[in-house]
Amino acid sequence: GAVVSQHPSRVICKSGTSVKIECRSLDFQATTMFWYRQFPKQSLMLMATSNEGSKATYEQGVEKDKFLINHASLTLSTLTVTSAHPEDSSFYICSARESGNTIYFGEGSWLTVV
Amino acid sequence: AQSVTQLGSHVSVSEGALVLLRCNYSSSVPPYLFWYVQYPNQGLQLLLKYTSAATLVKGINGFEAEFKKSETSFHLTKPSAHMSDAAEYFCAVSEGNTGFQKLVFGTGTRLLVSP
Repeated sequence: GAVVSQHPSRVICKSGTSVKIECRSLDFQATTMFWYRQFPKQSLMLMATSNEGSKATYEQGVEKDKFLINHASLTLSTLTVTSAHPEDSSFYICSARESGNTIYFGEGSWLTVV
Repeated sequence: AQSVTQLGSHVSVSEGALVLLRCNYSSSVPPYLFWYVQYPNQGLQLLLKYTSAATLVKGINGFEAEFKKSETSFHLTKPSAHMSDAAEYFCAVSEGNTGFQKLVFGTGTRLLVSP
């Protein structure tokens, strides 16, 4: 089946710095990718929908200036957490929609801000 | 707004026993419903999906789920658990008229299988 790869799988960064997480569709082109966040013992929450070549659509309550999303190609979307703070520590996971409308998820990325 | 409730953060079964993971949803429009499984350090894998066709949906690895509109439920079952079924399971709902777009997830249920 189709594979979606996320990198890095784990990252630790200092408070106030920025960190970038990549989401790649390895064997298909994804015009739409989705970014989710999951806090411990909570649901995966959709943060934003990323469309290739256009601005991302953010869910209510998600700061677009803090969570920068770029979908520059049909196989790559990036999420940059700017000026990270400890409360941004979470599990971030992306998904990509292929042409047949099936959605494939990445492995997720653990972010720890110290 | 749509929502999903998964009863029980942990479910423990013995190998060979019936697996039942509960999922109830809330949706103002006809829903699409999904079950995903997540193994340690891996992404979410689609087990099965309901998209307004047959109410009993069969998925991979011997799992199946039945859509019951009257009960707003989409419980996941497997007749006989294997050790390899131990994982985190997520139920999700999507608005039917938007297809495979935004997914609203439940909090997940960790399935533990003992020998």
